[in-house]
Amino acid sequence: GAGVSQTPSNKVTEKGKYVELRCDPISGHTALYWYRQSLGQGPEFLIYFQGTGAADDSGLPNDRFFAVRPEGSVSTLKIQRTERGDSAVYLCASSSRVAGELFFGEGSRLTVL
Amino acid sequence: DQQVKQNSPSLSVQEGRISILNCDYTNSMFDYFLWYKKYPAEGPTFLISISSIKDKNEDGRFTVFLNKSAKHLSLHIVPSQPGDSAVYFCAARETGANNLFFGTGTRLTVIP
Repeated sequence: GAGVSQTPSNKVTEKGKYVELRCDPISGHTALYWYRQSLGQGPEFLIYFQGTGAADDSGLPNDRFFAVRPEGSVSTLKIQRTERGDSAVYLCASSSRVAGELFFGEGSRLTVL
Repeated sequence: DQQVKQNSPSLSVQEGRISILNCDYTNSMFDYFLWYKKYPAEGPTFLISISSIKDKNEDGRFTVFLNKSAKHLSLHIVPSQPGDSAVYFCAARETGANNLFFGTGTRLTVIP
């Protein structure tokens, strides 16, 4: 497809489990962002990649959260030892240039029981 | 601390009338402002933006106004249509930064 693709669309897991969320950006977009949207809130910045490297990871809430983008395209957000407070919609966005318009995917809804 | 605030969680407007969505910010380093629209089960989509060097930007039925001294911006939709019913997020970016700060959103309902 032409847009940002995120999988899974829904993930239900138990507290303490490990989760991976995948983002496939628009082809050719070098900038990739992860945001988290909790219920009743706006999207909250987590991490930004320019190419393969994490240019800004200041939004990651703690060291249980990690993201990679090994080949400068697909990115994976990894959450270890999930907690109920991690329940949210995780949004991925890509952009064709630094500080350009962001194109968002539909999000991955994570529910931690 | 919320740097971008949308104090109205919801707004209802009659079809054909003007919708005005408001947004306030606290960070004077913000130099670029955007509005995103979000339908249920979809990601936010870009609607319109404005640079801090301007006070107005218009695109069809959508106009964004920026009042830097008041740290306030607003989105005007006229005439409003039922298809405009969605959650609207205000967002802002600091000079030289890459990430956006979002407000909590305003749910607009346009009544036919």
